[in-house]
Amino acid sequence: EIVLTQSPGTLSLSPGERATLSCRASQSVSSNYLAWYQQKPGQAPRLLIYGASSRATGIPDRFSGSGSGTDFTFTVSRLEPEDFAVYYCHQYGTSPLTFGGGTKVEIK
Amino acid sequence: QVQLQESGPGLVKPSQTLSLTCTVSGASITSGRYYWDWIRQPAGKGLEWIGRIYTSGSTNYNPSLKSRVTISLDTSNNQFSLKMSSVTAADTAVYYCARVGRYFDPIGDGVDVWGQGITVTVSS
Repeated sequence: EIVLTQSPGTLSLSPGERATLSCRASQSVSSNYLAWYQQKPGQAPRLLIYGASSRATGIPDRFSGSGSGTDFTFTVSRLEPEDFAVYYCHQYGTSPLTFGGGTKVEIK
Repeated sequence: QVQLQESGPGLVKPSQTLSLTCTVSGASITSGRYYWDWIRQPAGKGLEWIGRIYTSGSTNYNPSLKSRVTISLDTSNNQFSLKMSSVTAADTAVYYCARVGRYFDPIGDGVDVWGQGITVTVSS
C-alpha cells in the first residue's frame, strides 16, 4: 500500500501567517489522485483539495495544493482563526486508499 | 442538501459482529455519480479507509480488514451498511460513512460528503 508521510506533525503559527504542509508518498500517486481534508475536534473531515490542486466547492482561494508523483504541498496563504485544525492528505488512486497521519496547525 | 447519517449500536462485545447502517438523504445511492465508503478513526488517531461499494453492488475492501468486512447496499431504503465480524478492542473507533463524488474523473474527486460519525466501543 502507499504510505503517506505528513510533515511537520505540528505547526505553530499566528493568524495571518502562511502555513505550508507536506505530504510525501512511498510510491508515485496515480494521476495525482491526492486530496486534502481539514478536521476540527468533534467533527468529520471536510474536503478542501482534490486532484492535488483543485479546490472543492465553496473552498476559499487562500487554500491551495500542488505537487505530483510522490511530493505534495498544501498551503494556507493567510491563516484565519477558523483554519486552526488538523489537516490530512489522502491518496485515492491506488487501492487500498490511504491517509497521512495528519498535521496539526495550532495557534502560536 | 445531501446528508449521511450513521446508525447502529455504540457498544459491541469482543468477538461479536459490528453492524452499522448509513442512511442517505438528498442523493440516490444508485446514482452512477457516486461511490460509497466507510472510514474509521480511533480516538486521537488518523483515518483508516475500510472499504467501498459501487452502485453495481461490487465492493473493494482494505486488505487489512477484508476477511472480516462486508459492505452492502439497500436500494429500497437508500442505505448502505457495514458489517465487521470478530471485533476486538482495536476496532474501537468513530466510524464514518462517506460519499465520493465522480464529477470530473471516473476514479472520483475525493470524499465530498461525510456522515457525522458514530462512536463504536468494543468492550465486554
